[in-house]
Amino acid sequence: DADVTQTPRNRITKTGKRIMLECSQTKGHDRMYWYRQDPGLGLRLIYYSFDVKDINKGEISDGYSVSRQAQAKFSLSLESAIPNQTALYFCATSDSDSLYGYTFGSGTRLTVV
Amino acid sequence: GENVEQHPSTLSVQEGDSAVIKCTYSDSASNYFPWYKQELGKRPQLIIDIRSNVGEKKDQRIAVTLNKTAKHFSLHITETQPEDSAVYFCAASSGGFKTIFGAGTRLFVKA
Repeated sequence: DADVTQTPRNRITKTGKRIMLECSQTKGHDRMYWYRQDPGLGLRLIYYSFDVKDINKGEISDGYSVSRQAQAKFSLSLESAIPNQTALYFCATSDSDSLYGYTFGSGTRLTVV
Repeated sequence: GENVEQHPSTLSVQEGDSAVIKCTYSDSASNYFPWYKQELGKRPQLIIDIRSNVGEKKDQRIAVTLNKTAKHFSLHITETQPEDSAVYFCAASSGGFKTIFGAGTRLFVKA
């Protein structure tokens, strides 16, 4: 089945370390997103990409960077992880007009100690 | 900036009763309103959506209503079952990247 896959599923890392979260999709969607989920705060947009050459900041991009390696791959990096980046991270995809909803990946639970 | 307010944050109902979750949005350009269900430890999944040219949409036990004038939309679940227990997110989108999510409602259905 066409899907959105995230790796790793869980990760514990130390403060100051660099970490990369990866997302790949077989949906054939052009648009990809990275969201962060914290309890009581819903889903907040970190970065989004409408195609391989298009990268845009979301509402909480500070401390994060992304790379769109191909239409199907979108990775999120924390250059120097800090404890308040402990959260559940979701990658999502949508079609070209984003009016048919998102398909979310299975999530990465990141803990920064 | 634009936001989506969702109420209540927690809702507990008896099995068989109805549940209603309400959302209010601020961006007048919003024209697409999806609802997502997130079971414990799982990813959010789209369960129903409505577009601005429609006032109501129903799919078996779930329905969504939209009042564009008041900028309100609601999710209605009838004959609730224990498997309906989850966190529900509303969202408002004007296309492009501008999909704003509500903070979520944790629904408990007691058997």
